[in-house]
Amino acid sequence: DGGITQSPKYLFRKEGQNVTLSCEQNLNHDAMYWYRQDPGQGLRLIYYSQIVNDFQKGDIAEGYSVSREKKESFPLTVTSAQKNPTAFYLCASSHLGQYNTEAFFGQGTRLTVV
Amino acid sequence: DAKTTQPPSMDCAEGRAANLPCNHSTISGNEYVYWYRQIHSQGPQYIIHGLKNNETNEMASLIITEDRKSSTLILPHATLRDTAVYYCIVRENTNAGKSTFGDGTTLTVKP
Repeated sequence: DGGITQSPKYLFRKEGQNVTLSCEQNLNHDAMYWYRQDPGQGLRLIYYSQIVNDFQKGDIAEGYSVSREKKESFPLTVTSAQKNPTAFYLCASSHLGQYNTEAFFGQGTRLTVV
Repeated sequence: DAKTTQPPSMDCAEGRAANLPCNHSTISGNEYVYWYRQIHSQGPQYIIHGLKNNETNEMASLIITEDRKSSTLILPHATLRDTAVYYCIVRENTNAGKSTFGDGTTLTVKP
């Protein structure tokens, strides 16, 4: 089945360590996105990419890094520079263009930094 | 992307229609209205979208006012599984995921 997969579902890390969250899609979507969600709040955009080897900062990019070496994959690294990394992280993908551009979301990764 | 305003919470009786309002008074002519929902601890799910005309699919109906400054998502026969946070978003039909998700409306369907 086509879809977007995030792994792992739960992740625990010690403070000061970098951690990489995986996001893979087999929908042949050009665009991919990372969002952060804190309890009781909406989603905030971290980074997005419309094409391989290119990506742009979203609203809260500080302390995060991404890469887009393959169309199917858009991993997110939460660095030690991120002051409050504990959150629910959501990856999404979509077509680009005028039609059928709704975003498809993964099931999220819940990161806890202790 | 235009800003939207939604009530923070709503209740609905099981089997009745759930009508979720959204105000988007600053919407521009080329911006669409999109609705997503998020069941607890899962990723958001696309529901429906529209530009000017009312739209219906297997999940819901979307009613957009003539001036396009507000819209209503209608779940015709709400079930307990429709309990979720519903997000109304307005955006151009490019950069689909680069959307601003506000706090949404928490819909609770009660037996």
